[in-house]
This record gives sequence, structure tokens and C-alpha cells, in this order.
Amino acid sequence: GAVVSQHPSRVICKSGTSVKIECRSLDFQATTMFWYRQFPKQSLMLMATSNEGSKATYEQGVEKDKFLINHASLTLSTLTVTSAHPEDSSFYICSASAGPREQFFGPGTRLTVL
Amino acid sequence: SQQGEEDPQALSIQEGENATMNCSYKTSINNLQWYRQNSGRGLVHLILIRSNEREKHSGRLRVTLDTSKKSSSLLITASRAADTASYFCAAQTSGSRLTFGEGTQLTVNP
Repeated sequence: GAVVSQHPSRVICKSGTSVKIECRSLDFQATTMFWYRQFPKQSLMLMATSNEGSKATYEQGVEKDKFLINHASLTLSTLTVTSAHPEDSSFYICSASAGPREQFFGPGTRLTVL
Repeated sequence: SQQGEEDPQALSIQEGENATMNCSYKTSINNLQWYRQNSGRGLVHLILIRSNEREKHSGRLRVTLDTSKKSSSLLITASRAADTASYFCAAQTSGSRLTFGEGTQLTVNP
């Protein structure tokens, strides 16, 4: 199956700093990438949808200036959490899609903001 | 966003027993998918059932879909301790967009 990687897998940062998370599709070209957030023992909540070369579409309640998404190529999307605060601590998961049906999920990034 | 509902939220069974999880959704769908997530890990795609299908099998998995009731069920037969994980349904609507259910935490005791 298609492989999606995320880097880093785990990051701890101080409050007020910015953190960048990378999502890569390793063996296919992803026309669309999705970013999700998952709090402990909860479901995945879609944050934004990004298409290569265009601006991301954010879900209601997600601050686009805080969660910067760049999808510069068909194999790479990045999520930057700016001025991170402890409440941003969460598990961030990306997925990539080459067509309308199946999404392939990355292994997730555990963000802890102190 | 519209979250689906899953029940039960938690299910604990003995190895060898069957596990049934249910999912309900709110809008019309293109398909419904089931995923598995081990603690602190990413999602693994298990099975997809199209809106015009009623039942689908894959190994020990059996999925049903009732579009009139907007519900789906996942049956895992002859469960194993390694099946312990969280299971999520996800309804796919327009394009590739997925809306996830709240999940069922399955524990299979050896």
C-alpha cells in the first residue's frame, strides 16, 4: 500500500515557540493532503485540507494564522504550529490522497508544549 | 464538523469471541470506511464499503451498511489479543473528505 511518513514523530517545545511538522507521501503523488488533530481518547478532527499549489481550506474554528499549512509539492505538506501553547499539545496526523476515495495516513506526531 | 457516533465506546471480550461495533452518521455518503488505531499510532485502513453495497467481508472482518438508517457495523470474528485497539468508522462525503466517528476501544483479553 501507499506509504505516508511524518517527521518528527515526537516533539517537545516551550510555550511561545513554533513547531513544523512534515508529511510526505513516499511512493505516490498526493494531490490532496489532510491534517487532523486528535486529543487523548478522542476521535480525529479534521483541521484543514490542502491541495498542491493552492491555499489550504481550514475547518471552522481552526485558526489559519496559528496553523500554517504549506503544500509546495505533490509529495510534501507541512504544518507549522505558531506560538505554541500547552493547549496545542495533541497528536497531529496527516493523510494523503491521490484520488477521490482512499486516504493514506501518516504515523502521527505527538506534540507536547511545556 | 459532523461527527458520527459509535457504540459501544468501549468493549472488552475474551479471545475467540466475536466483537461487534456500530457506527451512525448524519449525511449522505459516497462510502464508509473502518480504521484501526493502536495506542499512540497512526491509522490503518481496514475496509471500505460503498454506499450501494450492503455487506462486505475481508478475512475475519465483516462490515454491513444500512443507508436507510445511516448506520454501519463492524464485526470481528474469532478475536485475538492482537486485535486490541481503537476502531473508527469514517464517512466519506464530497471529494475525499472523511468524517470520523468517536471510536470504540476494543480490548481482547487472552
